[in-house]
Amino acid sequence: DAGVIQSPRHEVTEMGQEVTLRCKPISGHDYLFWYRQTMMRGLELLIYFNNNVPIDDSGMPEDRFSAKMPNASFSTLKIQPSEPRDSAVYFCASSWQGGVYGYTFGSGTRLTVV
Amino acid sequence: QKEVEQDPGPLSVPEGAIVSLNCTYSNSAFQYFMWYRQYSRKGPELLMYTYSSGNKEDGRFTAQVDKSSKYISLFIRDSQPSDSATYLCAMKTQGGSEKLVFGKGTKLTVNP
Repeated sequence: DAGVIQSPRHEVTEMGQEVTLRCKPISGHDYLFWYRQTMMRGLELLIYFNNNVPIDDSGMPEDRFSAKMPNASFSTLKIQPSEPRDSAVYFCASSWQGGVYGYTFGSGTRLTVV
Repeated sequence: QKEVEQDPGPLSVPEGAIVSLNCTYSNSAFQYFMWYRQYSRKGPELLMYTYSSGNKEDGRFTAQVDKSSKYISLFIRDSQPSDSATYLCAMKTQGGSEKLVFGKGTKLTVNP
């Protein structure tokens, strides 16, 4: 099993540009989570899906952020327009049966907005 | 008050030492407790999970949960340089949201 696959690993973009982060969850997992990690705030949940349906997006900072899961093997997190304060590491994680047995995280996308 | 508090450290110990890492929490509805290990520039990986109160042992690692005090601990025996990483506690309620709430993590360095 290749684990949770995220791309790109690093992204540097200019303020105002659109950024799209991608995630392929582990096959058979029915939950997908997007987290953001910063030194100041730690790991924060942005949104999670169950069977491709968004369940809780209360952590999405503002309308500039959007997430989709068009099928069981792919999800995107989009930021438009990007701002310097969006600089962080964005993690995707997937699990089976929710968070009861924990999640499996990807390696993350390190986003820098200049 | 934050839902989960964790001392960020850093914590530096000699090889072979016993390490104690701790978290406190405020939400009495938390029932599932986990510890993750995160190496530099990697994603967190699940180390141990516990349901409700009690102890759980796995090799050199022991997780303890004291729900009456809202306090959880991770002990590492015979620590090794390869244990150097950031350790994050995480918690979840039973039923309802599948969201894991994480502590900010404690950075541990084990010196050879």
